[in-house]
Amino acid sequence: QLQLQESGPGLVKPSETLSLTCTVSGGSISSSNYYWGWVRQPPGKGLEWIGSIFYDGSTSYSPSLKSRVTISVDTSKNQFSLKLRSVTAADTAMYYCARQTLLARTDYFDPWGQGALVTVSS
Amino acid sequence: SYELTQPPSVSVSPGQTARITCSGDALPKKFAYWYQQKSGQAPVLVIYEDSERPSGIPERFSGSSSGTMATLTISGAQVEDEADYYCYSTDSSDNHRVFGGGTKLTVL
Repeated sequence: QLQLQESGPGLVKPSETLSLTCTVSGGSISSSNYYWGWVRQPPGKGLEWIGSIFYDGSTSYSPSLKSRVTISVDTSKNQFSLKLRSVTAADTAMYYCARQTLLARTDYFDPWGQGALVTVSS
Repeated sequence: SYELTQPPSVSVSPGQTARITCSGDALPKKFAYWYQQKSGQAPVLVIYEDSERPSGIPERFSGSSSGTMATLTISGAQVEDEADYYCYSTDSSDNHRVFGGGTKLTVL
């Protein structure tokens, strides 16, 4: 059974860089059938796609966050990572990683990690 | 940018049918997906490709799509179905992957 687990600092100062890692277990991140994505959810609000990566390093980012986001993959560790630069209080959110099935017309996230709460505050 | 529009809330009594809608201009060409998120938990996929149900999801959950509107139907809603429900899809060029604003389902 595939499982994903987010890890990283729970508190980041304004203007600094938010960094999170997602560790995948029970399956290979190098599978050609899947992408790997990040989704966030501010407290009390809805879900927002941040970006996705394929095992070969090719990426796709939300246009609204593209200027501040970098997603990378480490196949040797079965991990992928998120970096969000120049954070503000508006970036305070639960950050989820998820496997993305992306084939022809099919595009969805499942399963998801349990989430990591990141607070931006001085 | 692209938007998917959902009603903020839906309320039904136990055993009734709950219907949650999601409207988007690209839905005639793109599949809709539905997620259930219970309080304090990660989202769970309950419907994929408009109407397909993942293994382990109760049969009372079904989905449909017509024109610019997709619908999640919970037939005989139960108290444990209380949750926020989000639709998900992409715009016609796949540049924007978006979730609807979410619908809070109350069953009481």
